[in-house]
Amino acid sequence: AQSVTQLDSHVSVSEGTPVLLRCNYSSSYSPSLFWYVQHPNKGLQLLLKYTSAATLVKGINGFEAEFKKSETSFHLTKPSAHMSDAAEYFCVVTVAAGNKLTFGGGTRVLVKP
Amino acid sequence: EAGVAQSPRYKIIEKRQSVAFWCNPISGHATLYWYQQILGQGPKLLIQFQNNGVVDDSQLPKDRFSAERLKGVDSTLKIQPAKLEDSAVYLCASSLGRGTGAGELFFGEGSRLTVL
Repeated sequence: AQSVTQLDSHVSVSEGTPVLLRCNYSSSYSPSLFWYVQHPNKGLQLLLKYTSAATLVKGINGFEAEFKKSETSFHLTKPSAHMSDAAEYFCVVTVAAGNKLTFGGGTRVLVKP
Repeated sequence: EAGVAQSPRYKIIEKRQSVAFWCNPISGHATLYWYQQILGQGPKLLIQFQNNGVVDDSQLPKDRFSAERLKGVDSTLKIQPAKLEDSAVYLCASSLGRGTGAGELFFGEGSRLTVL
């Protein structure tokens, strides 16, 4: 079984300040982990993925995430928020066999000017 | 490269009516997914196809929902009869389904259903 919990349903940051979106997972097998972003009225877009290689993963638009097995976490960060980062972010876990993805509940990011 | 195409983008129907959504995945993608996303929630998998076979439909309400992918390419999701609680965005996604592409999904923009 696998599950994922996003610890914050909403995050509000000022433009130019760091962003931290928290994600914890559980999985019976070695997981693959993903972060997706969804802008209003748009489909989901892959930001980055972890698939058992480097634990620090860099993605698009300056985002990165660190896989910490001891903490079962995969938090998403960005050093400096931009107005265009306002969106909803989903943490996703899967195990390779079966390829079934489980989504977290999402974190809505608001960026203040 | 063309992305995942979905239609219609918006649909408003009354309860007990029927509706169908269409999805055309990225060329060459063997795996196709239909997700339901209710406002304020994360996407929930309804059905997953591998080519034209069903891999997982455990969360599909089979008394009213049906889906097919007859030729292993495009897919149709049908709801009949619709209920108020079916109001949601229906997202289609596709993936290579193997190797390093496994788990990396490409999503369409979704079909927003409102049931009155």
